[in-house]
Amino acid sequence: AQSVTQLGSHVSVSEGALVLLRCNYSSSVPPYLFWYVQYPNQGLQLLLKYTTGATLVKGINGFEAEFKKSETSFHLTKPSAHMSDAAEYFCAVSKQGAAGNKLTFGGGTRVLVKP
Amino acid sequence: DAGVTQSPTHLIKTRGQHVTLRCSPISGHKSVSWYQQVLGQGPQFIFQYYEKEERGRGNFPDRFSARQFPNYSSELNVNALLLGDSALYLCASSLHGGETQYFGPGTRLLVL
Repeated sequence: AQSVTQLGSHVSVSEGALVLLRCNYSSSVPPYLFWYVQYPNQGLQLLLKYTTGATLVKGINGFEAEFKKSETSFHLTKPSAHMSDAAEYFCAVSKQGAAGNKLTFGGGTRVLVKP
Repeated sequence: DAGVTQSPTHLIKTRGQHVTLRCSPISGHKSVSWYQQVLGQGPQFIFQYYEKEERGRGNFPDRFSARQFPNYSSELNVNALLLGDSALYLCASSLHGGETQYFGPGTRLLVL
């Protein structure tokens, strides 16, 4: 079984400061890893994904994440927070290449950006 | 191109009633997945369909059922609604089921 743990249900950052959201996963097989963002009263928007290859992945809106197999982590960062980054962020894992493949999500981290 | 669409956007039902939620995937995508997101939690997997066949089922009671049509759209049905079924129901589409899933805006269901 796969699982995802997101450390910190709420994170508060100042505008212009580093955003760091932590995600650790458990998987018995090589994983696909994803970060999704959810704005209030909306669905999930894909930020970035790791499938194979380069372990540092760049996504939309200036976000990036690094897959560290030894640490079973996939932390999300953005060098400079913007007010528009206020949202809830979800880390998710699935099995590589498996048909009938479900996403297993973490509990989410809500980001508050202070002016 | 249009993304994943879901209808209705909001729904209010009473306990014991039945509900049908609808989803149209991205054009060219043949797989649809359904997730339930209870307030304050991450989404939980309910079903995945590919080419009209069920490919996966999450830990949900038999009151939950789904189907996929020849045009790859899908319906999620929930019978005998309980207060605990109140949630945002998300539909996601992907090419074949094993790749990146793209989510719709969701249907917010309130059971009174």
